[in-house]
Amino acid sequence: QPHLQESGPGLVQPSETLSLTCTVSDDSLSSGSHYWDWIRQPPGKGLEWIASMYYSGQTYYNASLESRVTISVDVFKNQLSLNLRSVTAADTAVYYCARHVRGSFGVITYFDLWGQGTLVTVSP
Amino acid sequence: EIMLTQSPATLSVSPGERTALTCRASESVSTNLAWYQHQPGQAPRLLIFGASTRATGTPARFSGSGSGTEFTLTISSLQSEDYAFYYCLQYNKWPPWTFGQGTKVEMK
Repeated sequence: QPHLQESGPGLVQPSETLSLTCTVSDDSLSSGSHYWDWIRQPPGKGLEWIASMYYSGQTYYNASLESRVTISVDVFKNQLSLNLRSVTAADTAVYYCARHVRGSFGVITYFDLWGQGTLVTVSP
Repeated sequence: EIMLTQSPATLSVSPGERTALTCRASESVSTNLAWYQHQPGQAPRLLIFGASTRATGTPARFSGSGSGTEFTLTISSLQSEDYAFYYCLQYNKWPPWTFGQGTKVEMK
């Protein structure tokens, strides 16, 4: 069964960079049938899509975060990464990686598999 | 950006009861809507896509309906494992892909 596992520091200092990795098992980032995404959920709030990437390099970013975010893939390690720069307390959230179904004619649809998430707290 | 509004925020339901959750879109999303179940501490789970197609492994007691701007997730007979948060997602107009704020289904 495919599995996604997020990893990274649980605590980040304000103004620093949050870096997370998602390791994909029993699937391939370069299979071509999916995009790979990051989504977050601040405490007590809803889900917010952050960024999406195809193995070939195409990316999409949430405009509200685009100036601070970089998403990348390492197809050899089969890992997805997220860097979020200049973090503040508002970036405290559970961060999820998710597999995003690529439909016909390049349409990107729904998320069909998620990781368990990792809590990142931004605090001095 | 398409906004999704879920109602109610909390539903109190007894085991075995039928319940319905609503998701309304700020503009038409056709049938490009999915539903997720989320138990805190676990990975969110895809239940429904295409507004009404059950994902692999979704029990038959879950059904989705609607198109355009109004959608419903119905649980025909609530089981103990169904107490969770439920979110809708639109994928008609992107980026961004947007979620509703969620409905919590709790035990009555």
